[in-house]
Amino acid sequence: KAGVTQTPRYLIKTRGQQVTLSCSPISGHRSVSWYQQTPGQGLQFLFEYFSETQRNKGNFPGRFSGRQFSNSRSEMNVSTLELGDSALYLCASSLEGQSSYNEQFFGPGTRLTVL
Amino acid sequence: DQQVKQNSPSLSVQEGRISILNCDYTNSMFDYFLWYKKYPAEGPTFLISISSIKDKNEDGRFTVFLNKSAKHLSLHIVPSQPGDSAVYFCAASANWELTFGKGTLLTVNP
Repeated sequence: KAGVTQTPRYLIKTRGQQVTLSCSPISGHRSVSWYQQTPGQGLQFLFEYFSETQRNKGNFPGRFSGRQFSNSRSEMNVSTLELGDSALYLCASSLEGQSSYNEQFFGPGTRLTVL
Repeated sequence: DQQVKQNSPSLSVQEGRISILNCDYTNSMFDYFLWYKKYPAEGPTFLISISSIKDKNEDGRFTVFLNKSAKHLSLHIVPSQPGDSAVYFCAASANWELTFGKGTLLTVNP
């Protein structure tokens, strides 16, 4: 079974631009969660989508948004990029979501650099 | 306010010895705790978990201990191997959301 895939793996943008990252979950998984990893803050939860609906959202500004398609693939968008948005963005999929008894499978991440 | 804290950014251990990684939390609503391991350029991989109704869970060389009264959990790796060198994230679950600590870089020296 193929794992979680994320595209692109690396991305360089300049301040003020916008970016879209893509995540394809494991086949059959309906939940996709997005995380931001930075050296100073560790892993921080962005949002979770389940069956095309955003079910939960972390403490990030409205510049960060996402969506999920009917095939469970998910995209996240960051508008008006800031230098501080440089990070590794991780996507994780699971069968039912982040509830206690469901293991999440992470993708390799997209490394975003904002210049 | 950080709800899950890993106060040691790094830990260095000799091969064959025990590695103990610590994690503290503040939210009493957390009911499930997980440890993830992350190598550079890869996503985190699930290592071991524990429900709040237990105080110990063991899987091979990895044991997680939970002290609910102290809101503290720890991951023991015995014996430590060079391949265990990675960043270890502690995570806690409540209401469909996982909260992660900042991670501890474990280096196991041959």
